[in-house]
Amino acid sequence: DAGVIQSPRHEVTEMGQEVTLRCKPISGHNSLFWYRQTMMRGLELLIYFNNNVPIDDSGMPEDRFSAKMPNASFSTLKIQPSEPRDSAVYFCASSSLVTQYFGPGTRLTVL
Amino acid sequence: GIQVEQSPPDLILQEGANSTLRCNFSDSVNNLQWFHQNPWGQLINLFYIPSGTKQNGRLSATTVATERYSLLYISSSQTTDSGVYFCAVEQGGSEKLVFGKGTKLTVNP
Repeated sequence: DAGVIQSPRHEVTEMGQEVTLRCKPISGHNSLFWYRQTMMRGLELLIYFNNNVPIDDSGMPEDRFSAKMPNASFSTLKIQPSEPRDSAVYFCASSSLVTQYFGPGTRLTVL
Repeated sequence: GIQVEQSPPDLILQEGANSTLRCNFSDSVNNLQWFHQNPWGQLINLFYIPSGTKQNGRLSATTVATERYSLLYISSSQTTDSGVYFCAVEQGGSEKLVFGKGTKLTVNP
């Protein structure tokens, strides 16, 4: 199995631009999670899906952030417009029962 | 919400030494997992252990749910064990994991 796949691995953009992060979960997993990791706040859950349906988005920082899961093999996290404080590593994880498996992350830098 | 505290925050060992990392949590949990984040940033799941004891090679973990703590043991440490170890808990069957701040382990040759 290829594991959780994320793209891009690195993204550098300017303030105000739209950013789209992508995730392909492990085949057969029915839950997908988006996390953000920063030095100040550690690892935070942003949103999670079960069977492609958003279950809890209470961690999404504000309306500039949105996430979709159009099918079982693909999810996106979009930031529009981006701000320098959005700079972080964004992880996608998936699970089939309880154990979560993380992707390699996307390092986002907003200038 | 539930609080997760890990100790120590930093730990430096010589190769071959043993260590114990601790995770305290403030309420009963349905799910507890230990993760290792290597120096390249990859998060690897080590154990799913809401209660009891498990072992995997040089690593073992014990969770005493009634006393709200979990321990991760690393024996005969190697330089490849370096990184940050996170404890994460979930309560109420929601699948939402709350992470501790981690223990940064450095193993010197």
